[in-house]
Amino acid sequence: DTGVSQDPRHKITKRGQNVTFRCDPISEHNRLYWYRQTLGQGPEFLTYFQNEAQLEKSRLLSDRFSAERPKGSFSTLEIQRTEQGDSAMYLCASSKDRGYSETQYFGPGTRLLVL
Amino acid sequence: DAKTTQPPSMDCAEGRAANLPCNHSTISGNEYVYWYRQIHSQGPQYIIHGLKNNETNEMASLIITEDRKSSTLILPHATLRDTAVYYCIVRVATRGGNNRKLIWGLGTSLAVNP
Repeated sequence: DTGVSQDPRHKITKRGQNVTFRCDPISEHNRLYWYRQTLGQGPEFLTYFQNEAQLEKSRLLSDRFSAERPKGSFSTLEIQRTEQGDSAMYLCASSKDRGYSETQYFGPGTRLLVL
Repeated sequence: DAKTTQPPSMDCAEGRAANLPCNHSTISGNEYVYWYRQIHSQGPQYIIHGLKNNETNEMASLIITEDRKSSTLILPHATLRDTAVYYCIVRVATRGGNNRKLIWGLGTSLAVNP
């Protein structure tokens, strides 16, 4: 059983640089979510896709953040002009439509450190 | 804001049952209760979820009170590997496009001691 995978697992960058993270969902899962988690806090929702359509975006997702899911398969999250406040764990989750109840399964996360 | 309240930390002896409480007094009739856990530096792991009936799987049992205002996650025989932060989340049941996100609180940090 292949779970959600994320790449890279760790990223160190300098302030002002752009970074891109990739998420590969569980096969046949049509929904994909991005969350961000800072130290000592629970994850915070960023955005979600159903197939290739981005259906919801959090106000946390500033104009420096962009997410895509071409062809409804893998997704990328790009952060432009990184700031030290962007340092966090970026989590991806996927789920399959099961009507009223669905379960999101999470990947291992990408830990970003902005120097 | 999270719609659940959990104690910040709990201890449990290895081999004993761990009972983790969650208060969700404002839960609506169409909201599910989900439990996840997060072992240090890993992604959250799904444990179990339920609407109004008690649920059991290979990992845990979920007991939901009759008025649905609180629930308890039970790990029947806790091991050292169960040491983690446990999150209780309520999420609306919907077939629509929105309201699918999980809203997380701070969870309960469970320490299983030898």
